[in-house]
Amino acid sequence: QSALTQPASVSGSPGQSITISCTGTSSDVGTYNLVSWYQQHPGKAPKLMIYEVSKWPSGVSNRFSGSKSGNTASLTISGLQAEDEGDYYCSSYAGSGTLVFGGGTRLTVL
Amino acid sequence: QVQLQESGPGLVKPSQTLSLTCTVSDGSISSGTYYWSWIRQHPGKGLEWIGFIYYSGSTYYNPSLKSRVTISVDTSKNQFSLELSSVTAADTAVYYCARAFWNRDAFDIWGQGTMVTVSS
Repeated sequence: QSALTQPASVSGSPGQSITISCTGTSSDVGTYNLVSWYQQHPGKAPKLMIYEVSKWPSGVSNRFSGSKSGNTASLTISGLQAEDEGDYYCSSYAGSGTLVFGGGTRLTVL
Repeated sequence: QVQLQESGPGLVKPSQTLSLTCTVSDGSISSGTYYWSWIRQHPGKGLEWIGFIYYSGSTYYNPSLKSRVTISVDTSKNQFSLELSSVTAADTAVYYCARAFWNRDAFDIWGQGTMVTVSS
């Protein structure tokens, strides 16, 4: 069970759109539509932003959207805002009751 | 709104057992709709899933930690607990408890996290 692969960092200017990728295998991302995304600010607990690839929890802005193609899931943030800066993690169900996280991506709003 | 709160020693000696408890408030751990989980984050690093437990006691563990982890539930106290044995400095991390969806695919409510340092 290996960690999902995310880019270490991405950046964008306010108002722009950015996309963070999350690459797994046919044992996790590729098989299950159970990919989630979390936002984490320094010193805080992660916050669920997307679940089941593209669903929004209550209260999360629709500027955040998720998708999946094959073994790679993606999180897109449109209309980038300063408050979006932070770390983003993907996760995927990996079968047999297990779950795996990605290594995390640091988003910088320029 | 359900809230989770971790508690336990912030310092554990090497080779000993790390023990943490998560107290669930404003909601029942026995609701049956959710799993309950432990997740850790090494300093400056990413998230690592440790395991799930259902109120009935059914458990699922990260294969890399399975030999050292025990997660248990006490429905009478609305708590679930983590024990990690034979700890080393590599187990130094912030430990979070969290509520997971029925699919065990996402965590919608998290505790604030508790830092545990393994050191003599």
